[in-house]
Amino acid sequence: DGGITQSPKYLFRKEGQNVTLSCEQNLNHDAMYWYRQDPGQGLRLIYYSQIVNDFQKGDIAEGYSVSREKKESFPLTVTSAQKNPTAFYLCASSISPTSPQHFGDGTRLSIL
Amino acid sequence: GIQVEQSPPDLILQEGANSTLRCNFSDSVNNLQWFHQNPWGQLINLFYIPSGTKQNGRLSATTVATERYSLLYISSSQTTDSGVYFCAVNAGNNRKLIWGLGTSLAVNP
Repeated sequence: DGGITQSPKYLFRKEGQNVTLSCEQNLNHDAMYWYRQDPGQGLRLIYYSQIVNDFQKGDIAEGYSVSREKKESFPLTVTSAQKNPTAFYLCASSISPTSPQHFGDGTRLSIL
Repeated sequence: GIQVEQSPPDLILQEGANSTLRCNFSDSVNNLQWFHQNPWGQLINLFYIPSGTKQNGRLSATTVATERYSLLYISSSQTTDSGVYFCAVNAGNNRKLIWGLGTSLAVNP
């Protein structure tokens, strides 16, 4: 089935450690996005990519990094510079930047 | 930048009741989307509705672009409708979605 797969579903990070969240889509969408959601809050954009080998910072990019080497993959690395990484992370994709966005099931990241 | 406000912030219904959720936006938009986030965190795209009216089963949405608001109607609510409903818009040359803070809906049996 076509869709967006995020893994892992739950992730634990030690202090000072980098972790990478996976996002894969087989919808042939050009645009992909990473959002962060804190409890009881809306979504905040971390990074987005409109096309392969190109990406832009969103509203809260500090402490995060991404790559877009393949159309179907948009991994997010949460670096040790992100001092408060505990949150729910959602990946989305769309045919184009103004088309409807479709979401994966999310990854819950916690600090040990 | 454009502001998106949703109301009410919280809503409690008995099963079978109808409800209307509102999304106001402060400037002209290119598109508007309604999403439902279930209690497990899954986010589902309900409507892509920059203007006009659309219906999907018990849900319908209307966007009046000239007056800068959109309404989401839920009829004969069910417990599975519980969760948070978000409105998000795209405006001007901005490629990013601007999100409201959501309406948290609880439908009791």
